[in-house]
Amino acid sequence: GEDVEQSLFLSVREGDSSVINCTYTDSSSTYLYWYKQEPGAGLQLLTYIFSNMDMKQDQRLTVLLNKKDKHLSLRIADTQTGDSAIYFCAERVTGGGNKLTFGTGTQLKVEL
Amino acid sequence: GAVVSQHPSWVICKSGTSVKIECRSLDFQATTMFWYRQFPKQSLMLMATSNEGSKATYEQGVEKDKFLINHASLTLSTLTVTSAHPEDSSFYICSARGQGALGPNEKLFFGSGTQLSVL
Repeated sequence: GEDVEQSLFLSVREGDSSVINCTYTDSSSTYLYWYKQEPGAGLQLLTYIFSNMDMKQDQRLTVLLNKKDKHLSLRIADTQTGDSAIYFCAERVTGGGNKLTFGTGTQLKVEL
Repeated sequence: GAVVSQHPSWVICKSGTSVKIECRSLDFQATTMFWYRQFPKQSLMLMATSNEGSKATYEQGVEKDKFLINHASLTLSTLTVTSAHPEDSSFYICSARGQGALGPNEKLFFGSGTQLSVL
């Protein structure tokens, strides 16, 4: 079955790196995504990684995928107050069509 | 970028009434729209997938007579919560997929969500 888990809350200081973790159970994931949700706004796609990749870097964002452990992480370098939001990981599985299975979301709070 | 407008953003209603939530793609045609609900501290759960001009496909455990979905045009899908009860209180969010080839970024665009509170 599909089950995606995240820790609920993370607090970091401005300028530090943030690492948001996600675990999933379905080994047939094809793509894994990170979405950002700011207050009062819809989810915004931040980045994604194909399941045959280990790492993807996009400016301040680094996605690491450990397929053996079914563990996905999002690292935000030089975290800013504007990064405060809820971050969702999601997976798309083979044969699932367009269906995405989301995690619970991690509330990131960036403190001065 | 593509915009999906969802409204109302917040609604309070009495138990037993029906509530309609609209999801519009403003600058693109959406062949497929998705409806999710989210309870506090829980995941976004897919409720149903609607394709323009056809009946919606509901996920297991979602009552189709309770949550009526209409996708009558390429830019509008509506979710009606019929005879709402307090347990239907939740955050509902829609997403729309643009036309064209499926790519890894899915071309999914999300509305800002609707917080429904049923008294």
